[in-house]
Amino acid sequence: AQTVTQSQPEMSVQEAETVTLSCTYDTSESNYYLFWYKQPPSRQMILVIRQEAYKQQNATENRFSVNFQKAAKSFSLKISDSQLGDTAMYFCAFMRRYGGATNKLIFGTGTLLAVQP
Amino acid sequence: ETGVTQTPRHLVMGMTNKKSLKCEQHLGHNAMYWYKQSAKKPLELMFVYSLEERVENNSVPSRFSPECPNSSHLFLHLHTLQPEDSALYLCASSQESGAGNQPQHFGDGTRLSIL
Repeated sequence: AQTVTQSQPEMSVQEAETVTLSCTYDTSESNYYLFWYKQPPSRQMILVIRQEAYKQQNATENRFSVNFQKAAKSFSLKISDSQLGDTAMYFCAFMRRYGGATNKLIFGTGTLLAVQP
Repeated sequence: ETGVTQTPRHLVMGMTNKKSLKCEQHLGHNAMYWYKQSAKKPLELMFVYSLEERVENNSVPSRFSPECPNSSHLFLHLHTLQPEDSALYLCASSQESGAGNQPQHFGDGTRLSIL
């Protein structure tokens, strides 16, 4: 079975600084996807970034980038130039690449990030 | 109109009440999901529907009863709930179920409190 671990329940960063959120996972699969989702207070959870395990290049979306270390089963999220709107709960998630209709997202417990002015 | 809309946003009910949560998606997706989000726990997948057929029931107690009348609407009927069922219930949709290259889109959730 796959598991996702986020060891930092809460983090804080000053506005305009850089912060890195950690995620590790456990799987015997070789083909899979990894995701970071953002859930602002009382707002919808949205996809921030996605990484395909067969791609060695780290995914990047504007100020958000990942450090994907497949051998170490590590998938950290770096937020550059932090903004107040980045304050949210961040969830790391895993999904097998192949698994049919019942293939599911496996989530971590989340990291609550507070951006301080 | 946002992509995935859930109503109500908040619900307080007694253990003997019957209520329903509603989810509607305007994205033309074929798969819809119910998740339970409790504090300090990973999101728990409850049910998955693909083209109005239930494809996953993740060992959910029978006091939760899903219904998917069409690919745009999903309901969660609640009856005889327990205090531990208090949580945020999230609905999501995706183009197909189980496809990692097709992200899931989430609603705002319904905050459920059981007295």
